[in-house]
Amino acid sequence: ETGVTQTPRHLVMGMTNKKSLKCEQHLGHNAMYWYKQSAKKPLELMFVYNFKEQTENNSVPSRFSPECPNSSHLFLHLHTLQPEDSALYLCASSQTSGRGDTQYFGPGTRLTVL
Amino acid sequence: ILNVEQSPQSLHVQEGDSTNFTCSFPSSNFYALHWYRWETAKSPEALFVMTLNGDEKKKGRISATLNTKEGYSYLYIKGSQPEDSATYLCAFLPNTGNQFYFGTGTSLTVIP
Repeated sequence: ETGVTQTPRHLVMGMTNKKSLKCEQHLGHNAMYWYKQSAKKPLELMFVYNFKEQTENNSVPSRFSPECPNSSHLFLHLHTLQPEDSALYLCASSQTSGRGDTQYFGPGTRLTVL
Repeated sequence: ILNVEQSPQSLHVQEGDSTNFTCSFPSSNFYALHWYRWETAKSPEALFVMTLNGDEKKKGRISATLNTKEGYSYLYIKGSQPEDSATYLCAFLPNTGNQFYFGTGTSLTVIP
């Protein structure tokens, strides 16, 4: 596998379910990101990890819980979501979280909350 | 939240036509602008990194220019092909902080 992979690609969940999104990067990068794209809206940054440490939480509700066990893996744990959380969730990585480093994206997980 | 606008929202062109679209961003605190190409169901792919006023970058039939003083970047595609069909995203990086601000993209469809 090369680049950035995400699983699952599609997920349907009820509001009371707990699920996790997984991201893996094979680029040797040290920074990883979660973005959300809602319909007709731009990508919104959710979380940033640099060398496994969270460096940015963009006022994301606590029902979204990120985890970064190492520089290659990033998870987004989902709990008690709302229908308005339905969106495309994209993971990205870059060499570091330094200014201007090009970000490399995964294909996203399309999440539907019923 | 910084305002990054892309126009048009969508575009249909015939194969062989040349086309261009725009990304507008705040001119007062520019650091960099990145262009991405995003095919449906695939990962966004980095196209260009623009940093200097007057920059012009080229990759095959696709090129981009940058005007930081007036706050816009153009992406040009010469002789469009069906495989150019994708959404083209721009991402603006201001000179404070490390967060990119994305436009909503221009969706290009090239009709064979």
